[in-house]
Amino acid sequence: AQKVTQAQTEISVVEKEDVTLDCVYETRDTTYYLFWYKQPPSGELVFLIRRNSFDEQNEISGRYSWNFQKSTSSFNFTITASQVVDSAVYFCALSYLNYGQNFVFGPGTRLSVLP
Amino acid sequence: EPEVTQTPSHQVTQMGQEVILRCVPISNHLYFYWYRQILGQKVEFLVSFYNNEISEKSEIFDDQFSVERPDGSNFTLKIRSTKLEDSAMYFCASSEKPYLSASSYEQYFGPGTRLTVT
Repeated sequence: AQKVTQAQTEISVVEKEDVTLDCVYETRDTTYYLFWYKQPPSGELVFLIRRNSFDEQNEISGRYSWNFQKSTSSFNFTITASQVVDSAVYFCALSYLNYGQNFVFGPGTRLSVLP
Repeated sequence: EPEVTQTPSHQVTQMGQEVILRCVPISNHLYFYWYRQILGQKVEFLVSFYNNEISEKSEIFDDQFSVERPDGSNFTLKIRSTKLEDSAMYFCASSEKPYLSASSYEQYFGPGTRLTVT
């Protein structure tokens, strides 16, 4: 069965602090993709990153970085020098291909960045 | 940049009424999906649709729900007799033909329709 776990329900940090959001996944598939989405208070899902199961290279995009470790089935997301605008719910998701491909979302982590 | 659109952005309906949520997927995409997010909870898969038929559906997608692609552009979700617990944000998504490329794994989400059942 496919499953995504985000153990941190809520995190609060003070602006300019670094914060890491954890994501652990379960799948029997050898080919799959992992995603992070941001959901601001307005409700839409904002795509942040896609990572395939064969590429364990870490990625950095501005203040965002991702650490994919297949050995521990984890795909953690770090925000450096957090800002108030980073306050949102962040979802980790797993995509796998079968006849009816769909996403499995984690429960989300609510990040509050305080000024 | 092409995007998935959804209408209306907010729908208020009375319990027992039928609602139709509309989505326009990206034009060259072949797979379509509906997801639901009850307020404060995670996004849950409802149904996927390919080649004019349902590919997969979750336990949530019971006989009260149906999907249709009535023309070449729209993809609709119908709830026949709404219940209070149907109140949620409903997201439509689309993707390219699977197995085609890496981007086949990526689903493009619409902005959502917030359904409120009173």
